[in-house]
Amino acid sequence: DAKTTQPNSMESNEEEPVHLPCNHSTISGTDYIHWYRQLPSQGPEYVIHGLTSNVNNRMASLAIAEDRKSSTLILHRATLRDAAVYYCILVGAGGTSYGKLTFGQGTILTVHP
Amino acid sequence: EAQVTQNPRYLITVTGKKLTVTCSQNMNHEYMSWYRQDPGLGLRQIYYSMNVEVTDKGDVPEGYKVSRKEKRNFPLILESPSPNQTSLYFCASRLQGANYEQYFGPGTRLTVT
Repeated sequence: DAKTTQPNSMESNEEEPVHLPCNHSTISGTDYIHWYRQLPSQGPEYVIHGLTSNVNNRMASLAIAEDRKSSTLILHRATLRDAAVYYCILVGAGGTSYGKLTFGQGTILTVHP
Repeated sequence: EAQVTQNPRYLITVTGKKLTVTCSQNMNHEYMSWYRQDPGLGLRQIYYSMNVEVTDKGDVPEGYKVSRKEKRNFPLILESPSPNQTSLYFCASRLQGANYEQYFGPGTRLTVT
């Protein structure tokens, strides 16, 4: 199964941009790259996803490398409410990985006031 | 309100006493999945279901059973719970397809003594 690698932790100051990296060198051609975050005592919540092109939504932006072996989640202006564990996940769209989700260890983001 | 519900939210039981954790979604999603979360191990997929009567193993299926007789429900069954199944469990659902976001339930904290 394709795996992702993320830094264990990152820190940011409030109102500053945050770039959360993820490596997925074994990604297959049909895998989507999803990002979820988990606030304390809650289930994970969806942030953003993409396949090949960069994506933007109201929460964040996703920059995908041209070879798709890495991606970066960008929070444009971090707030205290963004402090969470961020997971980069490959979601299989075909073949033997169809339906399977493998979560990495995630990055603990700390936001300082 | 669109949601995934789990019951019970908290459960303390003894080794060997069969239990069922229910999961229900009201979004007409085809795909449903169960995860367990343990400190240091992150989220791991137990079982998933692509549709009614279609289930498959995730990364850690040993000791668990599932069934999908109705589209909205996906119960997790522990026939003979053991202390190593003490964990935080999450149910999730999404539309069919890897390009859709997954909605997670609030979690069930299970303790097996």
